Amino acid sequence: DAGVTQSPTHLIKTRGQQVTLRCSPISGHKSVSWYQQVLGQGPQFIFQYYEKEERGRGNFPDRFSARQFPNYSSELNVNALLLGDSALYLCASLASGIYNEQFFGPGTRLTVL
Amino acid sequence: RKEVEQDPGPFNVPEGATVAFNCTYSNSASQSFFWYRQDCRKEPKLLMSVYSSGNEDGRFTAQLNRASQYISLLIRDSKLSDSATYLCVVTLNAGNNRKLIWGLGTSLAVNP
Repeated sequence: DAGVTQSPTHLIKTRGQQVTLRCSPISGHKSVSWYQQVLGQGPQFIFQYYEKEERGRGNFPDRFSARQFPNYSSELNVNALLLGDSALYLCASLASGIYNEQFFGPGTRLTVL
Repeated sequence: RKEVEQDPGPFNVPEGATVAFNCTYSNSASQSFFWYRQDCRKEPKLLMSVYSSGNEDGRFTAQLNRASQYISLLIRDSKLSDSATYLCVVTLNAGNNRKLIWGLGTSLAVNP
């Protein structure tokens, strides 16, 4: 099992651009969560998807959106990038529900210039 | 008040020391509690779930105090490899929304 995979590993964008980050959960896991982690801080919850439906949303602007596909992989989209969006974006895979252990991918490091 | 607050770090301790971290949460309806460990520039990894009865895993003991709304993590006989940031996580149902709230983390450095 490859575990949770994310792509790309690193990304550099400029202000105003749009970015799409991808995540594939552990085989058999139906839930994916997205987090933003700024250097030196804990992860901030962005979204949770379960069975292709949004089940949770953190305090992020509408520039952030996500979706989950029938194979349970997920994309996180961020529009109109700001310098403050520079962070490590983590995807977590859950077997079911929100209370189970989350398995994190290696993350995508986004730099906005 | 932040929803989840952790002891400020960094903690610098010698090998073999016992170190304790606390994490307080503001919402009494919080439902599940976890400690994660994060190494520098790596993703967080689950260290322990925290149960009402308290739980122990080798040198690590986690406790939950619902009345005072805090969780704790005790590390006995610290090893160099315990050096990391320790994050507490609280889960909460808010209507139809589910939230995971993370603390900022406490940095631990175990010194030889």
